[in-house]
Formats: sequence, structure tokens, C-alpha cells
Amino acid sequence: AQSVTQLDSQVPVFEEAPVELRCNYSSSVSVYLFWYVQYPNQGLQLLLKYLSGSTLVKGINGFEAEFNKSQTSFHLRKPSVHISDTAEYFCAANSGGYQKVTFGIGTKLQVIP
Amino acid sequence: NAGVTQTPKFQVLKTGQSMTLQCAQDMNHEYMSWYRQDPGMGLRLIHYSVGAGITDQGEVPNGYNVSRSTTEDFPLRLLSAAPSQTSVYFCASRPTGTGSGNTIYFGEGSWLTVV
Repeated sequence: AQSVTQLDSQVPVFEEAPVELRCNYSSSVSVYLFWYVQYPNQGLQLLLKYLSGSTLVKGINGFEAEFNKSQTSFHLRKPSVHISDTAEYFCAANSGGYQKVTFGIGTKLQVIP
Repeated sequence: NAGVTQTPKFQVLKTGQSMTLQCAQDMNHEYMSWYRQDPGMGLRLIHYSVGAGITDQGEVPNGYNVSRSTTEDFPLRLLSAAPSQTSVYFCASRPTGTGSGNTIYFGEGSWLTVV
């Protein structure tokens, strides 16, 4: 069965510092990978996704992620975080049919002023 | 477009009561689903539907019922509420035309407490 592992449940980081949120997925012949963000008391919205092609994917709000097939990883990065980036971030993987999306448990990013 | 709309946003139920969480989308998406979100467990799929008249169970279906009479609506019914069903519920929809790479669109969530 497909699985997604987010290695850190909480990540505190100072404002304007860089951040990396880690995500590993179980290997599959082909997999689509997503990062979603959930701001407090809101639903999830798409940050970025990898379907094929370039392994570096750019998303909204200055975030980017790199697909690494050999390490089965899809880590999310931002070079300089802002207070408004405080949220929970979910990595997700989809293979074997559009209904089979697996979410990680989420990483709470806390940006410290 | 309103996107995915869920009601109510907050609800308190007594054990044994039943209720329906409403969900509607105006994007003409074939696929709709319900998730619950619990601390430390991420999002877990309750039920999903790939079109009107077609529903199937997800990872945690027990205690919940769904129906899909129209493309737009996908209500979730709690048959006899239990404290273990205290959670945040998200309705989501997704186009299926181009396959597994499509974005999932989420509602704002419904906070349910069962006492």
C-alpha cells in the first residue's frame, strides 16, 4: 500500500530564515506528489504538485519542492519564511487511480518573530 | 465559483444523535469525498463517490453513510454519533478527466463535537 511519511510533526523557525519540510513516499511505478497548506481554521489548498518533467517544482507564496526518485522524497523548501507562513503542511501522493490519494500526518510550521 | 461549500461549520451533538453534514460543489467535478482530520493522524478518507449514484468506502467508513443523487451534492450522515466521531470533517472534490494528477479542492471544514 502507498504511504507518505512526514518526518517532522512540528518545525519552529525564525522569521526570514530558510525552512525545509520533509516528505518521503513509498515507491511506485509512477506517482504524483502534492503539497497542501492548511491555515488555521481553514480547509486545505494546493501549494504545488509534481506530475512529471522537471524535478524542481515551484508553487505559490515562494515555496518550491524537489522530487528525488532515488530517495523517494519530495521535500518542501522556502528560502525566507514570513509570519503568514505559519500553518500546517500536508504532503500527499497519488498513484494507481485518482481516488487513491494518501496524505501524510502533517507538519506544523511555526514562524517565530 | 463558490468552490466546495460545507455546512454547518460547527456542531455539538449528544451521543446517539444523528445528523447530516452537507457538501456542495459548483465545479462540475465527478469525484467527491469526505475526510476526517484528527491530531497526529492526518487526513483519513471516510467515503468517496466517482459520480452521481456511485459511492464507495474509504479507510474509515464505519458509523457514516453517504449518497450522491446529483453531481453537486454529497452529504455525510452520522447514523448514531459517538464521542470517537469528534473530529474536523472536510468535503473535497476533484475532476477526474485527466487522471491522478488533478488538484483536490477542499471545503472549509466542519468542526463536530460529540458529548
